[in-house]
This record gives sequence, C-alpha cells and structure tokens, in this order.
Amino acid sequence: EIVMTQSPVTLSVSPGERATLSCRASQSVGSSLAWYQQKPGQAPRLLIYAASTRPTGIPARFSGSGSGTEFTLTISSLQSEDFAVYYCQQYNNWPPLTFGPGTKVDVK
Amino acid sequence: QVQLQESGPGLVKPSETLSLTCAVSGGSINSYYWSWIRQPPGKGLEWIGYIYYGGSPNYNPSLKSRVTISLDTSKNQFSLKLSSVTAADTAVYHCARHYSYGPSSFGYWGQGTLVTVSS
Repeated sequence: EIVMTQSPVTLSVSPGERATLSCRASQSVGSSLAWYQQKPGQAPRLLIYAASTRPTGIPARFSGSGSGTEFTLTISSLQSEDFAVYYCQQYNNWPPLTFGPGTKVDVK
Repeated sequence: QVQLQESGPGLVKPSETLSLTCAVSGGSINSYYWSWIRQPPGKGLEWIGYIYYGGSPNYNPSLKSRVTISLDTSKNQFSLKLSSVTAADTAVYHCARHYSYGPSSFGYWGQGTLVTVSS
C-alpha cells in the first residue's frame, strides 16, 4: 500500500498571501496524483489531477507540481473561500487508492 | 452535469449490514468507474472500492472481506453493502465518479450521508 503524507498539518495564511502545501508518497506514483479541497459539511472538490492539470472551472490561482514521490499544491493568492482542508490522493498503485491525511489552511 | 445522491439508513446496529445506494443523474452508469469513499467524523478519507460496467469490483484490502459493491444499470445507480459493522464504521459515506476512465481521481461526488453504528 502506498502511504501518503502531507505537511504541514495546519497552515496559517493571511488573505492575499501565497500558500504552499506538500504531499509525499511512500513510493513513486509517477504523475498519478490529485488534490482536493474540502469545506466543512461538503464533499471534497477535485482541484488538480495528473499532478498539475486543473479541471474546467478551477481557478488559475491553484497550481500543482511534482512527480515521483514529492508534490506541491500552490495557491497563489488566498481568497476567503480557499480556507479549507486539502487532501492529496494517489492513483498509480492500487488497491487501495489512498489519500493523505490532509492539510488545514486557516486564517492567520 | 453529473450528479450523485446517496441514500440509506442513517443508523445501523453493530454486527448488522450497512446498505447504501447512490443514484446517478446527468450521465450513464454504463460509463466510467464508480467508487465509495468514507470519512469518519473529523478524520480523513478512506477509499472503500470501485465498480464499473462490465468489470469486476475492486475493494480496499482492509475492508475486502466485508464489502460488496454492485451496479444496477436499469436504475442508473450503484450500491454498497458493508457487513458485520462496528462503531469504527461510523462515517460519512460518499459515492463518487472517477474523473477519467479507470481508477483515477474522483471528479464528481455525492454530498455524503452519515451512517452511525450504534445499538
């Protein structure tokens, strides 16, 4: 099973600032990595797939990078609606498909 | 626009079987892969398993002995059964469609339904 880890656990950021979130896989997942945003009481929303591709409708301030075992989600200028929990997920080796434990982005 | 909606009992007794259904609208269940994912209160996401039309389901090894996922193409829905539940199975259960064909990222999600295991 591929174990996903995320850092930091909590990231405190001021609106308008840049946020950088990290995700690490216990073994290479190539570019088979997705990022999700989840707000309280809501389902996760897909932000990035294939490590760096945004689905239609996802704002350009969200960007993903990395390959292999190290990945980064960057939010270039945090908006009020971006304060949430962010999860990474690998889909290169399965079963199981696995998620990271999440990074909470809150207001500084 | 694909929409998914979970339904089923919100309370299940220990040792019994949890049964949920996911109704799909805005697209055919004959295409793509379809998964169940759960999230214990205040915790992270755990993939349970997926199914796709014409293929065999694939389950998380940690739950494999207790899980059954099935498709009902006539109703455009798919279902989850989890047997011998305990309090550790208390969670919000989401159904989801994979974004691209194959076991990939999850592009469309139901809002989730809370299932509590308690006597």
